[in-house]
Amino acid sequence: QSVLTQPPSVSGAPGQRVTISCTGSSSNIGAGSDVHWYQQLPGTAPKLLIYGNSNRPSGVPDRFSGSESGTSASLAISGLQAEDEADYYCQSYDSSLSVYVFGTGTKVTVL
Amino acid sequence: QLQLQESGPGLVKPSETLSLTCNVSGGSISSSTYYWGWIRQPPGKGLEWIGSIYYSGSAYYNPSLKSRVTISVDTSKNQFSLKVSSVTAADTAVYYCARRKSRIVGGTTNWFDPWGQGTLVTVSS
Repeated sequence: QSVLTQPPSVSGAPGQRVTISCTGSSSNIGAGSDVHWYQQLPGTAPKLLIYGNSNRPSGVPDRFSGSESGTSASLAISGLQAEDEADYYCQSYDSSLSVYVFGTGTKVTVL
Repeated sequence: QLQLQESGPGLVKPSETLSLTCNVSGGSISSSTYYWGWIRQPPGKGLEWIGSIYYSGSAYYNPSLKSRVTISVDTSKNQFSLKVSSVTAADTAVYYCARRKSRIVGGTTNWFDPWGQGTLVTVSS
């Protein structure tokens, strides 16, 4: 039930900045539901990266930042590092479906 | 440091019931602050929220799964459980348990942190 759309993949060289979009609708992000982001390293469980659109939990490097506008949100990774290679998922709440929804996921590759 | 650990059979036959337990350590499941949830991820695919429960036993589910899912809590053992009935191959997935956190600022927002390591459940005869 992926009502949040993300690009399948993004890539960048070490040190570069990449952004991942998360496009929703008027029943989730556009309705004012916050967006949260998770990082899933290969073979591991998702880990919270950003909560409440733009807040970093303690321990998350400030290279990661989040923003939200209208019916979309974005995750930016600056100073890309090899350890950032992972899948990234956005999450929000859809009031029409009454479910927590996740994005389709984006694979970040460090060239 | 709060930790969650899923346990249960890794193989379930079609039409039978999948049963998993999430053991919570390093904190009390009876905290009035949090809900507890189950999320699954089919191999190579994205994440799907299954449902969440409060320590009082109040639970709510993904409408797409509601008819087949039951989540319960055992505060004496500091754990909560998931049952999915009438399973098919489409229920094959890694099942994660997680704590649901909230913030109430001009409206409530909820996210999941931390997560258990996950357990793969395969539905096959």
